[in-house]
Amino acid sequence: GAGVSQSPSNKVTEKGKDVELRCDPISGHTALYWYRQSLGQGLEFLIYFQGNSAPDKSGLPSDRFSAERTGGSVSTLTIQRTQQEDSAVYLCASNVVFSYNEQFFGPGTRLTVL
Amino acid sequence: GQQVMQIPQYQHVQEGEDFTTYCNSSTTLSNIQWYKQRPGGHPVFLIQLVKSGEVKKQKRLTFQFGEAKKNSSLHITATQTTDVGTYFCAGPGARGSQGNLIFGKGTKLSVKP
Repeated sequence: GAGVSQSPSNKVTEKGKDVELRCDPISGHTALYWYRQSLGQGLEFLIYFQGNSAPDKSGLPSDRFSAERTGGSVSTLTIQRTQQEDSAVYLCASNVVFSYNEQFFGPGTRLTVL
Repeated sequence: GQQVMQIPQYQHVQEGEDFTTYCNSSTTLSNIQWYKQRPGGHPVFLIQLVKSGEVKKQKRLTFQFGEAKKNSSLHITATQTTDVGTYFCAGPGARGSQGNLIFGKGTKLSVKP
């Protein structure tokens, strides 16, 4: 594809339910990042995948958050037992990591927890 | 932990006025990147600065990287309504060469026609 894609674009869920957010990075990009952006706020780093290396999970806010990247391409961010404070836009980005190349962002998934 | 701070948080200008946002890091940065996020959109890369004291221009936008590589600025000359959005700076995360970025909280620019 031409860019990073994310699905769904919007997700409304009830408190306590689990959600899965998907990210398809640009083909050939070895690095994939997840960020969270609360309304009117900056980008909060969540997790980073680079090739076959162990992911950098240092930004995950709690053990309810987890992410996988299968086959070095598609990634899924899972939030278990969602809480209202999880409501935010979840952004995925990818790049070819070499001296901090620019990151290409997807359109995001807007998550609303009722 | 490492922090990247931006000021101001908001800036309202009249069209044609200049605008500047400042970015400061608690640690020396190997490089700094700038992104723009239009309302309702996603961040889009603008530029990367690597060298101490570097200055780069993109039309009406001027980017500077401080001599100590701990601060940076973005200056827009004669703002236009198309400049509306939030401008973020980002520096490498504390883990060094792994590619992770730490973003500032951004400066939201509004331009009154």
